[in-house]
Amino acid sequence: DAGVTQSPTHLIKTRGQQVTLRCSPKSGHDTVSWYQQALGQGPQFIFQYYEEEERQRGNFPDRFSGHQFPNYSSELNVNALLLGDSALYLCASSLGAGGGLGEQYFGPGTRLTVT
Amino acid sequence: AQSVTQLGSHVSVSEGALVLLRCNYSSSVPPYLFWYVQYPNQGLQLLLKYTSAATLVKGINGFEAEFKKSETSFHLTKPSAHMSDAAEYFCAVTPKGNSGAGSYQLTFGKGTKLSVIP
Repeated sequence: DAGVTQSPTHLIKTRGQQVTLRCSPKSGHDTVSWYQQALGQGPQFIFQYYEEEERQRGNFPDRFSGHQFPNYSSELNVNALLLGDSALYLCASSLGAGGGLGEQYFGPGTRLTVT
Repeated sequence: AQSVTQLGSHVSVSEGALVLLRCNYSSSVPPYLFWYVQYPNQGLQLLLKYTSAATLVKGINGFEAEFKKSETSFHLTKPSAHMSDAAEYFCAVTPKGNSGAGSYQLTFGKGTKLSVIP
C-alpha cells in the first residue's frame, strides 16, 4: 500500500516564476492538506481540499492556490515566487468522511528553492 | 487563536537516559494534541495523540505523553533513549469541535531537535 507521494522531490525556481507541486494521497484517503515548512520552523497550514473544493485555508496570500482532482490527488500552485517561499512543502492525506479524529499521513515533501 | 510552545530547540541526552521534550499550548478550551517525529529528509510521522480520553497517552517506539490541563502542557517522554530516536519532534494542536475525521488543520510548534549521545 503506497503512502502519500509527492513530486518533484526538489525544485529550483527564480523569483517571479510560478511553480506547481503534486501530491497523491494514501490509498482510501479523500482529503489533502498542504503545509509549508520553512527552515528551522514547524509546518504551517496552507489549505485543505475535500471533494475537489478548498475547505479550510490558513494565513497565506492568494498567490497560493490549489486544486483537487476526482481521483483525490492534489496540486499546489504558487505564483510570483518570492525568496521567502523557499521551504519544504508537505502534503498530508486523511479520510474526511465519518467521525473521529483520523490521522493525517504526511508525504516526504518537496523542497522548493527560490533564487 | 491557538498556539504551541516547545521549550528548547535542541535537546541532547545520553543513550539510555530519560527523554523529556516539553510542549505547552495556549487555548481557552483544551484542544486535541499531537506529537510528530521528523527524520532527516522525510515527512512527519505521528507518535501519539490526545483526544480527551485517558490523560496519559502511549504512542509508538516507547514514547508517551501526559496531558495536564492545569499546566496547559503535553510533554513527551521516553524512559530510555536509543540512537534511533535522534530526530526532530513537533508538538501540534487542533481545536475540538471540528467535524469530520481528518478535516482539522494542525498548528505546530517550532520543533525540538533531539540528539542522542552514545
